[in-house]
Amino acid sequence: SQQGEEDPQALSIQEGENATMNCSYKTSINNLQWYRQNSGRGLVHLILIRSNEREKHSGRLRVTLDTSKKSSSLLITASRAADTASYFCAPKAAGNKLTFGGGTRVLVKP
Amino acid sequence: DTEVTQTPKHLVMGMTNKKSLKCEQHMGHRAMYWYKQKAKKPPELMFVYSYEKLSINESVPSRFSPECPNSSLLNLHLHALQPEDSALYLCASSQGAGLAATDTQYFGPGTRLTVL
Repeated sequence: SQQGEEDPQALSIQEGENATMNCSYKTSINNLQWYRQNSGRGLVHLILIRSNEREKHSGRLRVTLDTSKKSSSLLITASRAADTASYFCAPKAAGNKLTFGGGTRVLVKP
Repeated sequence: DTEVTQTPKHLVMGMTNKKSLKCEQHMGHRAMYWYKQKAKKPPELMFVYSYEKLSINESVPSRFSPECPNSSLLNLHLHALQPEDSALYLCASSQGAGLAATDTQYFGPGTRLTVL
C-alpha cells in the first residue's frame, strides 16, 4: 500500500516555534504530497515533491524526501496560530488513487 | 476559478430517505473523486471518475451511488443509509486522469452528513 504513516499523531507548540512531522511509506512513488485540513473543512494542497527531488520550499514550509528510506518530513517554520490544523501526507504512484496517512494534528498556542 | 463547490454543507437524513450530494468544478479537470472522512481519521477514497467514466470503486456499498452527468458535475446519491455512514463527504478534482494523474487534487469544503 502507498498509504503513509505519520509521526507524531499530535503536536503542540508555541507560536513562533517550528513544527516538524514525518511520513513513512512502503512502496515506490511518483511523488509525495502534503495537505492541510482545518477543523471539519476540506483539504488544501500544500506542496508536492517528486521522487527525484530531495528538498522543496514553499514560503514557511520545507519538505524533504528520502526515497532510500521511504520517508518524508514537513517543517513549518515560525508557526502561527493559523497553522493549527491536521496535516496529511499522501505518497503517490502514477494513477488517480491518492491515499492519506493518519495525519498529524498540530496545535499552535498563541 | 480554482474552487470546488459542494452542496449542501450539512445534511440530516433518516435511514429510509433518499438524498443526493452535489459537487461542481469549473477548472476543466478530467478526474473527480468522492472521499468519506470519519472524525479524526484521514479521508478514504470511495469513487474516481476519469473523463466522466467510473474508473475506481473502492468496494463501496451499493447504498452509495455516484453519477457524473458531465465533466463539471459529480453527484453522490444516497439511499437506505446506516447511522455509521455519518461522516464528512469530500469531493475533489484533478487535472490529470488515469495513469497520467500525478498531480494534486483540489478539494471542496465537504458535506457533513448525519444519518439518524
